[in-house]
Amino acid sequence: KQEVTQIPAALSVPEGENLVLNCSFTDSAIYNLQWFRQDPGKGLTSLLLIQSSQREQTSGRLNASLDKSSGRSTLYIAASQPGDSATYLCAVETSYDKVIFGPGTSLSVIP
Amino acid sequence: EPEVTQTPSHQVTQMGQEVILRCVPISNHLYFYWYRQILGQKVEFLVSFYNNEISEKSEIFDDQFSVERPDGSNFTLKIRSTKLEDSAMYFCASSETGFIGTSNYGYTFGSGTRLTVV
Repeated sequence: KQEVTQIPAALSVPEGENLVLNCSFTDSAIYNLQWFRQDPGKGLTSLLLIQSSQREQTSGRLNASLDKSSGRSTLYIAASQPGDSATYLCAVETSYDKVIFGPGTSLSVIP
Repeated sequence: EPEVTQTPSHQVTQMGQEVILRCVPISNHLYFYWYRQILGQKVEFLVSFYNNEISEKSEIFDDQFSVERPDGSNFTLKIRSTKLEDSAMYFCASSETGFIGTSNYGYTFGSGTRLTVV
């Protein structure tokens, strides 16, 4: 059974710092991995999608990597801003036509 | 940018009542999904829907739940007799190509319906 974990559960950093969020999954048989952002009480905003054949994807200050064989992905946020404060979720698309989410990392960027 | 639209944004219902949550997926998408998130917990898969039938469902999606695409644009989740533990944020999502190795764009989620059962 696929399990997705995220470390750390919460992170607080001063503005301007670069930071890394980690995601691990137990079954490497995934089709893709997607990073989402969730603001409190709000929906899910897709940030980056990495296909299983890809190693990384970049969008602006965000860079996501995928190491399928070791069951890991990282989301790198460069030059963090207070507006980056949110919960970041990783989700893997499995062979059963569904997406399994991690519990999220709650990020707080302090001005 | 195309969006998945969900209505209502918040619904309060009495225990035992039926509730219908509505979603309008992106128009050229073919695969539709419902997820839920109980406050403070993970986002959980409920059901996937393709070609007018359920393709996958979780153990959460019992006989109290049903989905329908009544008119080619809306996608609904019905809970027949709500329980207190059904209180959660319900997210609809859609995907252009489904996922079996062909999903280039992943899922697009709606902003959710917060269901409160009292």
